Amino acid sequence: GAVVSQHPSWVICKSGTSVKIECRSLDFQATTMFWYRQFPKQSLMLMATSNEGSKATYEQGVEKDKFLINHASLTLSTLTVTSAHPEDSSFYICSCSLGRPSYNEQFFGPGTRLTVL
Amino acid sequence: GENVEQHPSTLSVQEGDSAVIKCTYSDSASNYFPWYKQELGKRPQLIIDIRSNVGEKKDQRIAVTLNKTAKHFSLHITETQPEDSAVYFCAASIAGNQFYFGTGTSLTVIP
Repeated sequence: GAVVSQHPSWVICKSGTSVKIECRSLDFQATTMFWYRQFPKQSLMLMATSNEGSKATYEQGVEKDKFLINHASLTLSTLTVTSAHPEDSSFYICSCSLGRPSYNEQFFGPGTRLTVL
Repeated sequence: GENVEQHPSTLSVQEGDSAVIKCTYSDSASNYFPWYKQELGKRPQLIIDIRSNVGEKKDQRIAVTLNKTAKHFSLHITETQPEDSAVYFCAASIAGNQFYFGTGTSLTVIP
């Protein structure tokens, strides 16, 4: 099956700093990547959808200036949490899709645990 | 946008019994419905999925049913085992697009 990696797997930072999370599709080209956030004991909430070479589409309520998404290649998308605060502490998970209407499955990364002190 | 509801939020069953989790969705355009199992601190793992042109799908102890008219779908796990204990999420999407997840069901299988 398709392999998706995320880096780092966990990060602890001070309030006010920025954190970059990488999502890579290792053995396929992902035209579309999704970023989710999951708080403890809650569901995965879609933050944004990014297509290679174009601007990300953010879900309602997600600040695009705070959560910067770059999808520069077919195998890499990055999420930067700018000026992180304790309320941004969460489990961030990316997923990758071939982006074809006939192929629905998404492949999830292992997640990044962000803790903001 | 799509709204997916999932019930129950917690479910405890005796080992060997069956477990059923139900989801409803709001967008009639949704046509792909995956189910994921997530263990604590790990990525969701796809366990079964169904497309809107199919009413039922089965894979060993796991089955999913879909009622397009009523806009609901269900996960059925038979002969449950302790290793089935996890959080299960349903999702709905329109082909190739973003997933909208249900709120999750924490399943505990009691030995």
